[in-house]
Amino acid sequence: DIVMTQSPDSLAVSLGERATINCKSSQSVLFSSNNKNYIAWYQQKAGQPPKVLIYWTSIRESGVPDRFSGSGSGTDFTLTISSLQAEDVAVYYCQQYYTTPWTFGQGTKVEIK
Amino acid sequence: QMQLQESGPGLVKPSETLSLTCIVPGGSISTYYWSWVRQPPGKGLEWIGYIYYSGNTDYSPSLKSRVTMSIDTSKNQFSLNLSSVTAADTAVYYCAGGYSVGYPRFYFQYWGQGALVTVSS
Repeated sequence: DIVMTQSPDSLAVSLGERATINCKSSQSVLFSSNNKNYIAWYQQKAGQPPKVLIYWTSIRESGVPDRFSGSGSGTDFTLTISSLQAEDVAVYYCQQYYTTPWTFGQGTKVEIK
Repeated sequence: QMQLQESGPGLVKPSETLSLTCIVPGGSISTYYWSWVRQPPGKGLEWIGYIYYSGNTDYSPSLKSRVTMSIDTSKNQFSLNLSSVTAADTAVYYCAGGYSVGYPRFYFQYWGQGALVTVSS
């Protein structure tokens, strides 16, 4: 199984400041045939199901604000919230869908400082 | 935005079988791959498996011996059976869907609200 490891486990950021979450996969999730990294990012607010923010490492899902961005390749990936808003308080998960079993990171809790 | 809906018993006895169904609105059941994902209280997300309208399935190795998924396209629904449950299977169970062309590699674009299933005598 591909192990996904996120860091940090939690972070507190002031409103309007940048939040950065890292995700490392235990093996490459790059499909050489199309040069795509099969990484998605989800946001889960309290009492709600996860919501996809980013897929293929850096493509924003329709309707997701552009303050959310994803980057990375191979085994190292990053989700950045450029200017944290109050509604961004949530737990964020990375997920690889390169090979089954699909696996998630342990989650990063983002709070307001 | 497609909203899925899980249904099933909220309480299952140890050693029995957990059964959940997910309704897919709008006749989209033949378009997407359908998965079950679970989340123990206060913990992270675990993928259980997926099924396609053709009946093709793939299950997580950690649960494969106890999992069966089925799909009924005429009723626009798919189901999860998890046998021989223990307290460790207590979780919110989500149904989720994603799109893939060719080899199934998909992220979870659509989610249900989740169904809490507690395993207890």
